[in-house]
Amino acid sequence: NAGVTQTPKFQVLKTGQSMTLQCAQDMNHNSMYWYRQDPGMGLRLIYYSASEGTTDKGEVPNGYNVSRLNKREFSLRLESAAPSQTSVYFCASSDDRFPRVKYFGPGTRLTVL
Amino acid sequence: GENVEQHPSTLSVQEGDSAVIKCTYSDSASNYFPWYKQELGKRPQLIIDIRSNVGEKKDQRIAVTLNKTAKHFSLHITETQPEDSAVYFCAARGGIKAAGNKLTFGGGTRVLVKP
Repeated sequence: NAGVTQTPKFQVLKTGQSMTLQCAQDMNHNSMYWYRQDPGMGLRLIYYSASEGTTDKGEVPNGYNVSRLNKREFSLRLESAAPSQTSVYFCASSDDRFPRVKYFGPGTRLTVL
Repeated sequence: GENVEQHPSTLSVQEGDSAVIKCTYSDSASNYFPWYKQELGKRPQLIIDIRSNVGEKKDQRIAVTLNKTAKHFSLHITETQPEDSAVYFCAARGGIKAAGNKLTFGGGTRVLVKP
């Protein structure tokens, strides 16, 4: 099992550019999540998907869109990147059994110039 | 929504000493409190968790305590070792209204164990 995988690992964008962060899990989990991590602020939820075909906003959804392509894959899109979106992005997944432990991907370090 | 505060933000201890990290939460209906460890450049990984119906849980050198009345929970690491150096995050899962199993994370504590 690879667990949760993310691509790319690093990315540099110019303001206004767009890109999609990819996430996949092979644990047959229904729930998937996108977090961003900024210094001193812990992990903040951007979007989540409780099952294939559903997505919901988290704490900080502005400037992002997501797609739950199938049960395995959950992508995060930045349509017009801004310097404030410079962060480390983590994808996570969890199964449906309480307490639904989250398993994180390796992260994507994004810099927006 | 839920608000989780974590203290201290940095903690330096001598190898062999104990380390304690404290978190407070705001939603009295929160029912699950995990702790994650994140080594430099790595992903967060669950190290221990506690449910609201338990007051204390221990796993080798780490333990977590929960005080539901005061709405705070703590991580205790005994006999610290250099490999305990990392950033530790607490989190709380809100009550039934926290749709999607949303966890709220504390700001993190950077622990440095000095040999």
